Amino acid sequence: NAGVTQTPKFRVLKTGQSMTLLCAQDMNHEYMYWYRQDPGMGLRLIHYSVGEGTTAKGEVPDGYNVSRLKKQNFLLGLESAAPSQTSVYFCASSYVGQGSYEQYFGPGTRLTVT
Amino acid sequence: GQQVMQIPQYQHVQEGEDFTTYCNSSTTLSNIQWYKQRPGGHPVFLIQLVKSGEVKKQKRLTFQFGEAKKNSSLHITATQTTDVGTYFCAGRTSGTYKYIFGTGTRLKVLA
Repeated sequence: NAGVTQTPKFRVLKTGQSMTLLCAQDMNHEYMYWYRQDPGMGLRLIHYSVGEGTTAKGEVPDGYNVSRLKKQNFLLGLESAAPSQTSVYFCASSYVGQGSYEQYFGPGTRLTVT
Repeated sequence: GQQVMQIPQYQHVQEGEDFTTYCNSSTTLSNIQWYKQRPGGHPVFLIQLVKSGEVKKQKRLTFQFGEAKKNSSLHITATQTTDVGTYFCAGRTSGTYKYIFGTGTRLKVLA
């Protein structure tokens, strides 16, 4: 099993450009999450999904959109990138069983917006 | 909204010394998780606490959940260089599916 994979690993964008980050998991997990991590800020939840076809806003959703068309994939879109979106983006998935919500994280995508 | 604070932000210890990080939530939690992130890596799940006053141990690591379910702590006995990294708590409130992460405590262990 690959676990949670993220594509791409690195990306540099110019202000105003758009891009999509792909997260894929092969563990048949119901829940998936997108976080961003900035120095000294910890991880902040952008959007999450509790199942195929459903998404919900997290703490910092502005400027991002998501889609969960297939259970194994969770896409994060930036429509018009801004320098404030420079960050490391982590995707995570979790299995919900017997009250356990252990999150499995991907390796991250380092995004720089100039 | 819900906030989760961690102290200290940084901690440098000599190898063999003990280390503790504290996590405090502004709201009562349904459960709390702890993660470790090595430099340049991604967060890795350590443990989940659910019950009020719960204490769990993993070798040299001891995790506690407060009686009021608003705070938690992670204690490492006799630190080793392999303990280096940032430790995060993440809390979930009842009725939600999302976790709010604390700001993390970065641990450096000096050999």
